[in-house]
Amino acid sequence: QKEVEQNSGPLSVPEGAIASLNCTYSDRGSQSFFWYRQYSGKSPELIMFIYSNGDKEDGRFTAQLNKASQYVSLLIRDSQPSDSATYLCAVKPGNTGKLIFGQGTTLQVKP
Amino acid sequence: DTAVSQTPKYLVTQMGNDKSIKCEQNLGHDTMYWYKQDSKKFLKIMFSYNNKELIINETVPNRFSPKSPDKAHLNLHINSLELGDSAVYFCASSHGRAGLEQYFGPGTRLTVT
Repeated sequence: QKEVEQNSGPLSVPEGAIASLNCTYSDRGSQSFFWYRQYSGKSPELIMFIYSNGDKEDGRFTAQLNKASQYVSLLIRDSQPSDSATYLCAVKPGNTGKLIFGQGTTLQVKP
Repeated sequence: DTAVSQTPKYLVTQMGNDKSIKCEQNLGHDTMYWYKQDSKKFLKIMFSYNNKELIINETVPNRFSPKSPDKAHLNLHINSLELGDSAVYFCASSHGRAGLEQYFGPGTRLTVT
C-alpha cells in the first residue's frame, strides 16, 4: 500500500463547477496535510495546509480532513481553466519538514 | 527577485560523469531541501538541512552528497551518474525545521545518456 494515494485522473470538470480532489494516507500518526498545485513544467506551489479535523477555507479552495478515515480532500469552487494542473497531496508524519507526496491528480477544467 | 533559484535549469550528461546542482534562496529561511521528481511525476524528498545541519537523509545512493555552505545555499553533488538518475530535481526552503510552508525552486532537469 502506498503511503499517500491519489487517483491520477484526469479529472475533467466544466468551467464554473466544483472540482473535488481526494487523497488517502496510511500513517495514522500523520500530523499535517498539504495540497500543492503543479502546472506542467513548473514547480509545486503550496495551496494550503490543514492539521485539524474539519474544513479549512481559503478563497475558492476548501481543504477537508477526516483523520478517523485517513482522508483529506480539496474542493475548488467555481473552477477556472487556469486551475487546470496537477494537484499533489502531501502528508507530514513528524516534526521535521519531511513531506510524503501522492502521485498527484491531473485536473482539466473545460471552458 | 527570485525567491529560490537553481542552476543549471537543464543538465545533459553521460553515464559515469560527476555533476553538481546549486540552489540559493533569498527568503531568509533556515531550512532547505532537495526533492527528486521522476518521470511519473512522483515527488520524493532526498535531504534537508537546517542551519547547515543535515536533518533529513532519506535512503538515497551514496553517490548523492548534499552540501550546505550556509543557510541560504544548498548544493547537490552526484557522482558516477546513472541512467536512473534522470529526473527533475527541486530545491525548496522553509522557515523552521517543521517545514510547514515550503517554497520550491524552478527545478533542474537532469538527463543522463
